[in-house]
Amino acid sequence: EFVLTQSPGTLSLSPGERATLSCRASQSVSNSYLAWYQQKPGQAPRLLIYGASSRATGVPDRFSGSGSGTDFTLTISRLEPEDFAVYYCQQYGDSSWTFGQGTKVEIK
Amino acid sequence: EVQVVESGGGLVKPGGSLRLSCAASGFTFSSYSMHWVRQAPGKGLEWVSSISSSGGYISYADPVRGRFTISRDNAKNSLYLQMNSLRAEDTAMYYCARLAAKYYGLDVWGPGTTVTVSS
Repeated sequence: EFVLTQSPGTLSLSPGERATLSCRASQSVSNSYLAWYQQKPGQAPRLLIYGASSRATGVPDRFSGSGSGTDFTLTISRLEPEDFAVYYCQQYGDSSWTFGQGTKVEIK
Repeated sequence: EVQVVESGGGLVKPGGSLRLSCAASGFTFSSYSMHWVRQAPGKGLEWVSSISSSGGYISYADPVRGRFTISRDNAKNSLYLQMNSLRAEDTAMYYCARLAAKYYGLDVWGPGTTVTVSS
């Protein structure tokens, strides 16, 4: 069974600060199959990053993805008020898809 | 405008059945793989099922395999999820989502439809 573990569970930061979110896979993941999503309360998720490091259409360049193998990172360079949300990583493998449990970025 | 909109959610008793629909518009539906993703109240996202553009390749998550059936009608630009033998743990918001054409990411999501399984 493929497992994605995100850390930390909650990140308390102030606007303007840098956020670093981690996603660790139980098995090696092809970079092509690693994505990140943002979800705000009461809304559907929004694709941010695909292929581990490519920004989806319309995503601001303060969002960046990196990593390979089993360790991936989503970085928000300077938090804007609208960035406080829950973030999920997702991978595809063995004909199924898996989400991490999410990291909540909250206002400190 | 590219969009997908789910419908068919509601309250159902344990052991009952429900059929969800997802209406697509603004894009060539028959060219895209489609997914169902759910989210239990206060919990994270859980992938449920996917179907290829032609319907010839289907996958299910272990918790729903054998109880749920995904299908599509490309002539009607519609995706479906037939849910049988429903359990309390199937209670969730169910999202329909499009797999992007050239990369592995769900790039279009609907607003979701709520399924509640309770006696």
